[in-house]
Amino acid sequence: AQRVTQPEKLLSVFKGAPVELKCNYSYSGSPELFWYVQYSRQRLQLLLRHISRESIKGFTADLNKGETSFHLKKPFAQEEDSAMYYCALRIGGFKTIFGAGTRLFVKA
Amino acid sequence: NAGVTQTPKFQVLKTGQSMTLQCAQDMNHEYMSWYRQDPGMGLRLIHYSVGAGITDQGEVPNGYNVSRSTTEDFPLRLLSAAPSQTSVYFCASSSDRSGYEQYFGPGTRLTVT
Repeated sequence: AQRVTQPEKLLSVFKGAPVELKCNYSYSGSPELFWYVQYSRQRLQLLLRHISRESIKGFTADLNKGETSFHLKKPFAQEEDSAMYYCALRIGGFKTIFGAGTRLFVKA
Repeated sequence: NAGVTQTPKFQVLKTGQSMTLQCAQDMNHEYMSWYRQDPGMGLRLIHYSVGAGITDQGEVPNGYNVSRSTTEDFPLRLLSAAPSQTSVYFCASSSDRSGYEQYFGPGTRLTVT
């Protein structure tokens, strides 16, 4: 069965510390993965996608097919990074499933 | 472009009442979907559509109906509201032209008492 797992519901780090939000997936096909972010009082929006291999707001994510993971990383967290983060998997056509989300709290 | 719009923003229903959540997009996206967001469960797909006249069930379709008569609109109908349907509902649209990125509406917070 297709599944996206985000094991941490809440992640709290100090400003300037590295942060890693974990995402694991289960999918028999060729995966296409995304990270979405929801800042307070804002809409859910795309942060980055694995096929672009880009860095957005200092965040990067590498697809590891062997470990079926797509962890989101940032070397130095900022207070404005505090938000809800969702890992998502496109499972063919347009259909996309989401993980349960991780709330990141960056302390001053 | 307004993007994806949803109405209403807030709604309170009594058990057994019915209502329709509206969703519209002006980006000519083929794909539209409805999700519900519950604490600890993330976003769960309710129904989706790959074009006008075509809809299909997602992960949690029971108690909800959809139709897609135009490319722009994708309303979600609650047939007989139950307290378990208390949630935040998000509509999203997507296109292969945008690399399947989901564009989300602002959400509708529904409370069923």
